[in-house]
Amino acid sequence: GQQLNQSPQSMFIQEGEDVSMNCTSSSIFNTWLWYKQDPGEGPVLLIALYKAGELTSNGRLTAQFGITRKDSFLNISASIPSDVGIYFCAGGLNYGGSQGNLIFGKGTKLSVKP
Amino acid sequence: DAGVIQSPRHEVTEMGQEVTLRCKPISGHDYLFWYRQTMMRGLELLIYFNNNVPIDDSGMPEDRFSAKMPNASFSTLKIQPSEPRDSAVYFCASSLAGYEQYFGPGTRLTVT
Repeated sequence: GQQLNQSPQSMFIQEGEDVSMNCTSSSIFNTWLWYKQDPGEGPVLLIALYKAGELTSNGRLTAQFGITRKDSFLNISASIPSDVGIYFCAGGLNYGGSQGNLIFGKGTKLSVKP
Repeated sequence: DAGVIQSPRHEVTEMGQEVTLRCKPISGHDYLFWYRQTMMRGLELLIYFNNNVPIDDSGMPEDRFSAKMPNASFSTLKIQPSEPRDSAVYFCASSLAGYEQYFGPGTRLTVT
């Protein structure tokens, strides 16, 4: 079945740094989404991408839908302490009865540098 | 606006007991999803509904799990009998016509 490889698995940030993470797959997806999850909460939708090559921003967050439709990137500029959490990518399929079915990556955990 | 509502937030039960998790999706959304999250397996889709009809239940682990959506504003996920390996956080999510899924706060289930 489809799998998403998300990297890095974890990273440490210092306030003010830019952060990059990505998600790759051997399969093509029609949609890419990025979510953030805080401890004890459900994932919160950050950005949704629907078109290959699309670049979309949400405040300090920017995400891109790869041209090959097999990858996506998320960048966070000028990180702040509240950016800490787990970031998930999700790929959406649309064939047969799979409308709305998302495949999730394993997540990138952002922590503050000690 | 109210988001997805799940109850209970925490459930502790003994092996063999029946467990029922509840979800109220966002009003007007026509898709409802049930997920399970564990450290080992991450977020797994169990089942999803479109207009109250189950579309794909291939993620339901076994016959002990069942889900219903009797109307557009309510769904249940039932585990009977429960086992320790069912311990996880269960999320409900809803969406309007597609992929932008909005998650509830989750139910943390512990089976002893």
